[in-house]
Amino acid sequence: GEDVEQSLFLSVREGDSSVINCTYTDSSSTYLYWYKQEPGAGLQLLTYIFSNMDMKQDQRLTVLLNKKDKHLSLRIADTQTGDSAIYFCAEMSGGSNYKLTFGKGTLLTVNP
Amino acid sequence: KAGVTQTPRYLIKTRGQQVTLSCSPISGHRSVSWYQQTPGQGLQFLFEYFSETQRNKGNFPGRFSGRQFSNSRSEMNVSTLELGDSALYLCASSRGSGEKLFFGSGTQLSVL
Repeated sequence: GEDVEQSLFLSVREGDSSVINCTYTDSSSTYLYWYKQEPGAGLQLLTYIFSNMDMKQDQRLTVLLNKKDKHLSLRIADTQTGDSAIYFCAEMSGGSNYKLTFGKGTLLTVNP
Repeated sequence: KAGVTQTPRYLIKTRGQQVTLSCSPISGHRSVSWYQQTPGQGLQFLFEYFSETQRNKGNFPGRFSGRQFSNSRSEMNVSTLELGDSALYLCASSRGSGEKLFFGSGTQLSVL
């Protein structure tokens, strides 16, 4: 079955880069996503990568995908206090089983 | 373009009651998915609807049901509420099944 693992906590200083890591098990995953959740809010889609790509850059965000190791990472450059939130990695199953499987989320704390 | 709208934002019910949650997808989106978020279990998939048909269902008891209307709006119903049903219920819409999901702010349900 599908499973997505993330480390639970990350603390960085303002201006540093943050790297959030994720591993997944479903080799038939089509898309992999990163969502951000701020307190009391829903999930905001940050970025995504198709499973046949190995990198995607979008402004301060860089996604790296190692399909062989089933490892996904999100790098946030020049991390700001406004980036403090929970970040979820999610995979979209292949086939016709259209559902997202989420990790437990990584709480990113940015210290001034 | 308006985002995904969920109503109500907060709901308090007692055990044994039933509840109906509403979701209006982004204009033009035909797929609506529902997820339950709890501190212990994280984000879990409930079901997905496309063109008024349930396409996929997660591992939840039959007390959880849903439907989708011809205008793509969706409702989710939980009957015979239990304390463990207390959660944030998130609705997400996409243009089609398997495409990027955009989430609403959720309905926070508390069962007393």
